[in-house]
Amino acid sequence: ETGVTQTPRHLVMGMTNKKSLKCEQHLGHNAMYWYKQSAKKPLELMFVYSLEERVENNSVPSRFSPECPNSSHLFLHLHTLQPEDSALYLCASSQVPSSYNSPLHFGNGTRLTVT
Amino acid sequence: GESVGLHLPTLSVQEGDNSIINCAYSNSASDYFIWYKQESGKGPQFIIDIRSNMDKRQGQRVTVLLNKTVKHLSLQIAATQPGDSAVYFCAENLKGGKLIFGQGTTLQVKP
Repeated sequence: ETGVTQTPRHLVMGMTNKKSLKCEQHLGHNAMYWYKQSAKKPLELMFVYSLEERVENNSVPSRFSPECPNSSHLFLHLHTLQPEDSALYLCASSQVPSSYNSPLHFGNGTRLTVT
Repeated sequence: GESVGLHLPTLSVQEGDNSIINCAYSNSASDYFIWYKQESGKGPQFIIDIRSNMDKRQGQRVTVLLNKTVKHLSLQIAATQPGDSAVYFCAENLKGGKLIFGQGTTLQVKP
């Protein structure tokens, strides 16, 4: 049990579909993150929410739309994706403002395949 | 530029031996460093961290060494076990809270 739960674990979608990834953290943290993990590449930060406000958007295409309704829940809405968007999408949480002694805690990810 | 790298993509060790996984970072302003372990089918799991005002920190069977002079970070695993087989990532925290990850080293433990 990681304290950060992601659903679904696997998702296959066509390029015209609309789907959503869900993340829930049970750690009492106040910041949540979406990362993309592709083969042979470092983890790529996509979005950061701190105290339920989006504080970072790393030039992510608009076909990815995050939503953070409260400090425990985070969504990533997907529409008209491309095959190159296939990857493992990881959610993480932490306590801010300090990262000391509060590293990121990750979920197990959603393995997304775009066909 | 900002980058965090690992010297070897794959490290193979015999069960019971010690493992050393290396990481080079480029930003001398980074003040906090973390090692993560990622097993197949799981997300990265925190192993150990170290602040820039330290050069060594020990956990259970793991030790992290920080050499700020050459901007080098290493993770030592004592008496490596099959359960240690995973991908290991280092990450550096830039001031302001931005975390940058390396590409990862795959540790393979031979029985």
